[in-house]
Order: sequence, then C-alpha cells, then structure tokens
Amino acid sequence: GQQLNQSPQSMFIQEGEDVSMNCTSSSIFNTWLWYKQDPGEGPVLLIALYKAGELTSNGRLTAQFGITRKDSFLNISASIPSDVGIYFCAGGSAGGTSYGKLTFGQGTILTVHP
Amino acid sequence: ETGVTQTPRHLVMGMTNKKSLKCEQHLGHNAMYWYKQSAKKPLELMFVYNFKEQTENNSVPSRFSPECPNSSHLFLHLHTLQPEDSALYLCASSLTGVNQPQHFGDGTRLSIL
Repeated sequence: GQQLNQSPQSMFIQEGEDVSMNCTSSSIFNTWLWYKQDPGEGPVLLIALYKAGELTSNGRLTAQFGITRKDSFLNISASIPSDVGIYFCAGGSAGGTSYGKLTFGQGTILTVHP
Repeated sequence: ETGVTQTPRHLVMGMTNKKSLKCEQHLGHNAMYWYKQSAKKPLELMFVYNFKEQTENNSVPSRFSPECPNSSHLFLHLHTLQPEDSALYLCASSLTGVNQPQHFGDGTRLSIL
C-alpha cells in the first residue's frame, strides 16, 4: 500500500523560531493536505494543495505541493506557544475509488518553549 | 470545529460489553469515514460510506460493525472487543469525489478493560 514518511517525528523549538516539516512518498498523490491535532481533539485542516508546484499560505503557515507529486512541506514562521500540537500530512489519491483515499503520515510533534 | 460531532467523547467498556459510537455531521457532506488512531501509528482508515452505501472495509474485524442510516449520521457498533482495540476513534466527512478534504470530529477515546 501507499506510505508516507513524515519528518521530523518531533521538534522542540523556541518561541519566534521558524519551523519546517515535510512528507515524502514513493507514490504519486493528487492532493496534499496538512492537518493539526491538539490534545483531546480531532485533526483540523490547515492547508489543502491540489496542483503540483502549488504554494499556499494560511497566515503564518505555508505549504507546497512538490513538483514530482511525491512530496510536500509545511513551514510555520515566527512560532508561538499555541502552535504546539501534532501536525499530519495526508496524501490524497483516487486509488480506484470515486471518493478519494487519504494516506496519513506518522505526524510531527511540535513543542514550543516560551 | 463543530461541523462533525462525536459521542461519547470517552468510553470505558469490558470485553464482553456492547456499545455504540455515534457521529453526526452538519456540513452537507455525503461521504463519512471511521478511522482508528493509536499511539505512534498513522491514522488507520476503517470504513467509508458514500451516500449511505459502504464503499470500503479496510479488513476490519467483525467485532466492529458500522451503520450509516443517512448521509448525516454514522455509527460504529462495538462487541466483544480486545484490549488492543483501545484507541481514539475518529469520524470524518467530506463531499464525494476525489480530492475532497476530510473534516474530522474530536473522536471517542475508547478504553477496553
């Protein structure tokens, strides 16, 4: 089956620093999604990418759909304490279905020290 | 995000109990999903429903039985679970079609004694 390698697994940074995480795969995806999960809550969609090479921002967050369609990265600029959480990438593909299937990365645990 | 609501939020049950998890979405979506989230593992897709029809069963043991009476409601009936079934169970919904992002509920934290 399809697999995503998300790195790093965890990050410990100081408030104000920039953050970068990425996902890679041996498979091609049609969509890349980035989610954040806070403790005790479900994943919340941050950014959705639909075209190879697409670069999209959402406030301090910027994500890119890799040109090969096999990777994506997420950058967070000027981190703040509320950025703490687990960040997941997800690759979407048709997979022979009409609804699309998401394959999730293992997650990046972000800790921000004030 | 309150578009997808899951109840209960926490559930403790014995291995011989029968219980059900409920999911309701208010987003006008027509596809609904059950995922299992265990520590240090990627989200595992369990079931997919499109317009109330089950379109995916990802080799889930029969002790998990899904039900989708309409496009807004999804249930997961639990029976004779094992300790390794303890996990966070997440419901998601989306519009039908490839490339539609999924929106998640806050999950039910299930503990099997």
